[in-house]
Amino acid sequence: GAGVSQSPSNKVTEKGKDVELRCDPISGHTALYWYRQSLGQGLEFLIYFQGNSAPDKSGLPSDRFSAERTGGSVSTLTIQRTQQEDSAVYLCASSPWGGAYEQFFGPGTRLTVL
Amino acid sequence: KQEVTQIPAALSVPEGENLVLNCSFTDSAIYNLQWFRQDPGKGLTSLLLIQSSQREQTSGRLNASLDKSSGRSTLYIAASQPGDSATYLCAVTGNQGGKLIFGQGTELSVKP
Repeated sequence: GAGVSQSPSNKVTEKGKDVELRCDPISGHTALYWYRQSLGQGLEFLIYFQGNSAPDKSGLPSDRFSAERTGGSVSTLTIQRTQQEDSAVYLCASSPWGGAYEQFFGPGTRLTVL
Repeated sequence: KQEVTQIPAALSVPEGENLVLNCSFTDSAIYNLQWFRQDPGKGLTSLLLIQSSQREQTSGRLNASLDKSSGRSTLYIAASQPGDSATYLCAVTGNQGGKLIFGQGTELSVKP
């Protein structure tokens, strides 16, 4: 079966522009997670969805970051007014349910802000 | 606040050696622990998941152990191969599950 997919694989943008990153989880997985991987910070949690609701948004670094999930499936992470420090690889993961289940990761979107 | 540490940061071994990667965490109230590998420029591949009630899990040449009370896990790789070269990450979830807290990883190089 298909794994987690993310698009685009690479995104180069100018400082101040908005970007949207997309994640398609494994079919039937109700839990979806966004993480960010940067050289200085390692892998950091951003936000967790269970179905369409987000019970844990504690990792979003500022109000420029937002995410939504529709139909319990696809999720979009939006970064407004991008800054150079937003440059990182954004990873999405899904699991059958939150909690005890294994998380499966997508290939990531590499974001470069010039 | 949960913190996860992996030692060593980098490791180079000749092909065929058995090796151990270490992971420690500061808060023993975890729900589970997961080991991943990451190849350069790629996403994370799940290797093993250990629930907090378990002591170890095995998959092929990999064996992961968990000592929750002491806040430690080890990943044992038997008969290492050049294809095992990658960065290995451990991560824990808190006792409510959900988000993973990651270590900084161990970069493994297996020389032919």
